[in-house]
Amino acid sequence: GDSVTQMEGPVTLSEEACLTINCTYTATGYPSLFWYVQYPGEGLQLLLKATKADDKGSNKGFEATYRKETTSFHLEKGSVQVSDSAVYFCALTSGGSQGNLIFGKGTKLSVKP
Amino acid sequence: DTEVTQTPKHLVMGMTNKKSLKCEQHMGHRAMYWYKQKAKKPPELMFVYSYEKLSINESVPSRFSPECPNSSLLNLHLHALQPEDSALYLCASSQVQAGYNEQFFGPGTRLTVL
Repeated sequence: GDSVTQMEGPVTLSEEACLTINCTYTATGYPSLFWYVQYPGEGLQLLLKATKADDKGSNKGFEATYRKETTSFHLEKGSVQVSDSAVYFCALTSGGSQGNLIFGKGTKLSVKP
Repeated sequence: DTEVTQTPKHLVMGMTNKKSLKCEQHMGHRAMYWYKQKAKKPPELMFVYSYEKLSINESVPSRFSPECPNSSLLNLHLHALQPEDSALYLCASSQVQAGYNEQFFGPGTRLTVL
């Protein structure tokens, strides 16, 4: 079945450090890929998405590129801020999942001033 | 309006109580979802409604009863819950139930069962 594997945290960085959260997937067909962010005590917010190979999603300084050859969708940001502290979920939808989101386990990011 | 709203924000109930969670969206979306999220875990899908019809029930116990009265509204009726049902309950919506459509999530209802 479809699945998402992402690096488990927690990840602790200093402000202005570079961030990479690895995400790889297994899916039938051609999945759509998403990164969601969950701030403490809140619901999930869509951070970015990509629907086909080589697409790059970007938002709020975060980027991720849909790499079909490596089945990856790593999340990157060049300079993190304290306000980026949250849990980040990689997710996919595919024909095999009936359009439903398959989530990774989540990665908690803490950014220290 | 790109918002999914959920009420109440917090709910405490006893095991013999009956309560309901409410979710609303005015984005014209025709697919709506209920998820359950335990601490430090990703959301788990419970139910999907597509065009106001129940599309998916992920083997959820009958003490959870979903209802979709119209295309904008989704309810989750709760009865005789157990303490292990304490969790964050998230509602989401998407244009249709298809893979390329992103889901928009509400802020959730934090449920505590005593």
